[in-house]
Amino acid sequence: DAKTTQPPSMDCAEGRAANLPCNHSTISGNEYVYWYRQIHSQGPQYIIHGLKNNETNEMASLIITEDRKSSTLILPHATLRDTAVYYCIVSSPLTSGGSYIPTFGRGTSLIVHP
Amino acid sequence: GAGVSQSPSNKVTEKGKDVELRCDPISGHTALYWYRQSLGQGLEFLIYFQGNSAPDKSGLPSDRFSAERTGGSVSTLTIQRTQQEDSAVYLCASSPPLLYGYTFGSGTRLTVV
Repeated sequence: DAKTTQPPSMDCAEGRAANLPCNHSTISGNEYVYWYRQIHSQGPQYIIHGLKNNETNEMASLIITEDRKSSTLILPHATLRDTAVYYCIVSSPLTSGGSYIPTFGRGTSLIVHP
Repeated sequence: GAGVSQSPSNKVTEKGKDVELRCDPISGHTALYWYRQSLGQGLEFLIYFQGNSAPDKSGLPSDRFSAERTGGSVSTLTIQRTQQEDSAVYLCASSPPLLYGYTFGSGTRLTVV
């Protein structure tokens, strides 16, 4: 079972910020929050990850609550090309000899409309 | 190559036939995963390879499914006696040994007729 909970769908107007929530109330201390997205007919694409501090890159920002039980992915200026399924997963670091299997839930289907 | 390469991109096979799906991970990535995704569904974990350790096969749905990884690089997922319910997109992902995101291939779309 997925360790995260996301709304099944959301929509956003083009040019506006898209805020995608994720609950991960059972996250453990060494687990990171990762976000991926999957555009139709393609493999999932890595977006961003974080441990406890907020993170920003060229694609998005990630806001993690202080208790780390939830996070929000922010696409600051959504475009039509951002229409995709967004997956939030939690994962511990892979180290030599270690193992972890990321579990993907159903994700959030984001539709960006004109 | 720069990314994870999967072949073939599409495969149509008759029910009962065996199929082999190939994944060529990013060079240096020690972890390799196979997932499958049925139409409109999320990703279902199948099998995981990490370096020279024994693979985690806990996600394989039946004994018709098997996978191997030769030389810690290329992996082959084999489905024997295919059934219609095996129709799905089979995705491969790889990851370096330390903390980074997983890189997925574009998948193999398998259709069993």
